[in-house]
Amino acid sequence: ELKVEQNPLFLSMQEGKNYTIYCNYSTTSDRLYWYRQDPGKSLESLFVLLSNGAVKQEGRLMASLDTKARLSTLHITAAVHDLSATYFCAVVRYTGTASKLTFGTGTRLQVTL
Amino acid sequence: EAEVAQSPRYKITEKSQAVAFWCDPISGHATLYWYRQILGQGPELLVQFQDESVVDDSQLPKDRFSAERLKGVDSTLKIQPAELGDSAMYLCASSSGQSRGIQYFGAGTRLSVL
Repeated sequence: ELKVEQNPLFLSMQEGKNYTIYCNYSTTSDRLYWYRQDPGKSLESLFVLLSNGAVKQEGRLMASLDTKARLSTLHITAAVHDLSATYFCAVVRYTGTASKLTFGTGTRLQVTL
Repeated sequence: EAEVAQSPRYKITEKSQAVAFWCDPISGHATLYWYRQILGQGPELLVQFQDESVVDDSQLPKDRFSAERLKGVDSTLKIQPAELGDSAMYLCASSSGQSRGIQYFGAGTRLSVL
């Protein structure tokens, strides 16, 4: 069974600081997604990482994938309050004709002034 | 911009009652997913459709949950009877099979069972 773990589960950081969220998964996969969820809202796609060594950047967020270590990171540079949300990583597993996403537990990010 | 539509946004019901949720995916998306998200956790897949066919319902509690997508477009998820533990956010998502497999999520239905 595929397990996806994120850490930390909760992160409080000051504006202007840098930090990294980690996503570990238990079985081989060649595709990983990062989503953002604001309180009471739905999930918004941030990044798709398709291969080992993939790196994607959008604004203050940068995501990377190491398929050999089964690890993805989401790095936050010079955090601002608008980045406060819960961030999920999700890993694809193929089962016959279906491709199934398994989500991590989520990291709740709170950026304070 | 195309969106996944879900209704209702909120539903309050008493245990043992029946509830139904509706989802209309992005036009042209052949794959439709229903997820359940318990507060403080990540979404968990309940059922996946490819057109009108179920391709994965291994996590669907079939004694009380049912899902259909009769014409391969919109879909309904039903719970009968509802139990207290069913209180959660029910999310619908769709994907085209292209665009790197990204799943696009609707706003969800927040279910409270009293």
